[in-house]
Amino acid sequence: DAKTTQPNSMESNEEEPVHLPCNHSTISGTDYIHWYRQLPSQGPEYVIHGLTSNVNNRMASLAIAEDRKSSTLILHRATLRDAAVYYCIRSFGNEKLTFGTGTRLTIIP
Amino acid sequence: AAGVIQSPRHLIKEKRETATLKCYPIPRHDTVYWYQQGPGQDPQFLISFYEKMQSDKGSIPDRFSAQQFSDYHSELNMSSLELGDSALYFCASSLLVIGTEAFFGQGTRLTVV
Repeated sequence: DAKTTQPNSMESNEEEPVHLPCNHSTISGTDYIHWYRQLPSQGPEYVIHGLTSNVNNRMASLAIAEDRKSSTLILHRATLRDAAVYYCIRSFGNEKLTFGTGTRLTIIP
Repeated sequence: AAGVIQSPRHLIKEKRETATLKCYPIPRHDTVYWYQQGPGQDPQFLISFYEKMQSDKGSIPDRFSAQQFSDYHSELNMSSLELGDSALYFCASSLLVIGTEAFFGQGTRLTVV
């Protein structure tokens, strides 16, 4: 049970921002929200994670709803190298990451 | 920076043979996870270790076993291989700190013929 819901696929134009949504309506107060992505034939790659506040790093931004029942991964300027499957994962403490279906992001040149 | 190292990268075995996959975590990481990803599937958790002790177990077949050694590297042993075991096997490592991220290796592609 991945415990999150994401769209199966999304498309975006190159050099435009991308907003990847994730629903986690049953999240508990101590669950972290993690985002990983997986390029073809590669291992999953950490993108960003957060608990309550919005987070920014060099790769992306994570916007967490005030009620924490949803979040959005924001890629500020998509490139062709951002084409991947993006996984939104909620994780309590140090428990293992449970991958759901993820969103397959296609970048259109 | 050093990443998670997995070996071998590719492995071809025949049915009923055994295979051993190795994982070298990032230095000072104390937790190792193993995942299996079949063709067109999402990664599925197999097993994890913290400080050389099994910490969690997923849908790992009884034919598979794993351990973490004193130098923190881990090995996944697979016996009586079946065609359905053909998959990508990923290892990840992390520090046992609440909310910290995990880092994945490039995986071992196992093909059973």
